[in-house]
Amino acid sequence: DADVTQTPRNRITKTGKRIMLECSQTKGHDRMYWYRQDPGLGLRLIYYSFDVKDINKGEISDGYSVSRQAQAKFSLSLESAIPNQTALYFCATSDSRQGGNNQPQHFGDGTRLSIL
Amino acid sequence: RKEVEQDPGPFNVPEGATVAFNCTYSNSASQSFFWYRQDCRKEPKLLMSVYSSGNEDGRFTAQLNRASQYISLLIRDSKLSDSATYLCVVRKAGTALIFGKGTTLSVSS
Repeated sequence: DADVTQTPRNRITKTGKRIMLECSQTKGHDRMYWYRQDPGLGLRLIYYSFDVKDINKGEISDGYSVSRQAQAKFSLSLESAIPNQTALYFCATSDSRQGGNNQPQHFGDGTRLSIL
Repeated sequence: RKEVEQDPGPFNVPEGATVAFNCTYSNSASQSFFWYRQDCRKEPKLLMSVYSSGNEDGRFTAQLNRASQYISLLIRDSKLSDSATYLCVVRKAGTALIFGKGTTLSVSS
């Protein structure tokens, strides 16, 4: 079983629809992150959370919202999807108790989202 | 200026070659440094952390120059399985990771 699970793995939807991407983890990590990856642009941080109900904006938070109601879950919502939100989305976790500032991030398998 | 900049690549090398990737970061407050590896359409995975004194893991050597805000990764005796995109990553204390765009390596036989 994967330690960081993203659902769905693939999604095709239409402009204007509300979309929710789910991330759950069994690692017991306190910190969780959402990134998007576009060709030629690398990984860009959308939102991150250091604890339950802690929410922080990343580099590209506009058009997105997140929810962290439980330590193991971090969901990403697109309130009204638009085509330029088509991308590969990754969830990641890390443990603030491990390695101090050198704590690694562990990624889920990604969600491929297409907005038509 | 982007926070983390890497060689654009791609790097195409034969098996057995030595290849070096370079990375610069703009924020002098950055405290943690990493190299991640990403295979095509897969999630990024930690390759190694980068320490001030430099560190080695088998065929991979990472170095950090804080004064120049420069990070490097050296791969010796390249294998076909080293073909991937290598991501330079930095973090300021108390924040999330910032990723470079990545450098693609293709090792051929």
